[in-house]
Amino acid sequence: KNEVEQSPQNLTAQEGEFITINCSYSVGISALHWLQQHPGGGIVSLFMLSSGKKKHGRLIATINIQEKHSSLHITASHPRDSAVYICAVRWYNTDKLIFGTGTRLQVFP
Amino acid sequence: DVKVTQSSRYLVKRTGEKVFLECVQDMDHENMFWYRQDPGLGLRLIYFSYDVKMKEKGDIPEGYSVSREKKERFSLILESASTNQTSMYLCASSPTVGIYGYTFGSGTRLTVV
Repeated sequence: KNEVEQSPQNLTAQEGEFITINCSYSVGISALHWLQQHPGGGIVSLFMLSSGKKKHGRLIATINIQEKHSSLHITASHPRDSAVYICAVRWYNTDKLIFGTGTRLQVFP
Repeated sequence: DVKVTQSSRYLVKRTGEKVFLECVQDMDHENMFWYRQDPGLGLRLIYFSYDVKMKEKGDIPEGYSVSREKKERFSLILESASTNQTSMYLCASSPTVGIYGYTFGSGTRLTVV
């Protein structure tokens, strides 16, 4: 069993829809990251969370430490949101990240 | 704008060649990382460095070595490239443990033929 599980693996949506991507983990962490990877490879860090909720534009990330679960929400989705979204956790007192295998999102006009 | 720069976006090398992948960051970060990314496997850590001349093996170090002679530069070396090292390679950096995020490079897609 992977230490970081994401769901769904693939997601298609119509423009304007509300999107939710989930991440569950099984280890103790100091922080959780949500990353975005567009075709071509470059990765952008969207959020780093250790508790609660963060919002940036149409993106919202939440984390529940007790349940070892995080969600990434996209409101009013747009085709330019099409990308792979990756959840990664940082073990306590380490510099290492453990990555989920990603969720491929396609938003159609 | 802070950056992690990888020297090549695409590389094609022959089996047995020695390959150098270079990564430079301009943020004075202590930590630097090399990952490879393969379909269905996600990102896996090859090596990381927490200071100049310091390095630690990640999850899949076999067939690779690294060099960090200066704080801003972290090189990944494939001593004798093989076809199973065809992959996307990503470099990242971060400040010391705890509260800060990571910055990733744009990746190098290496094909070994």
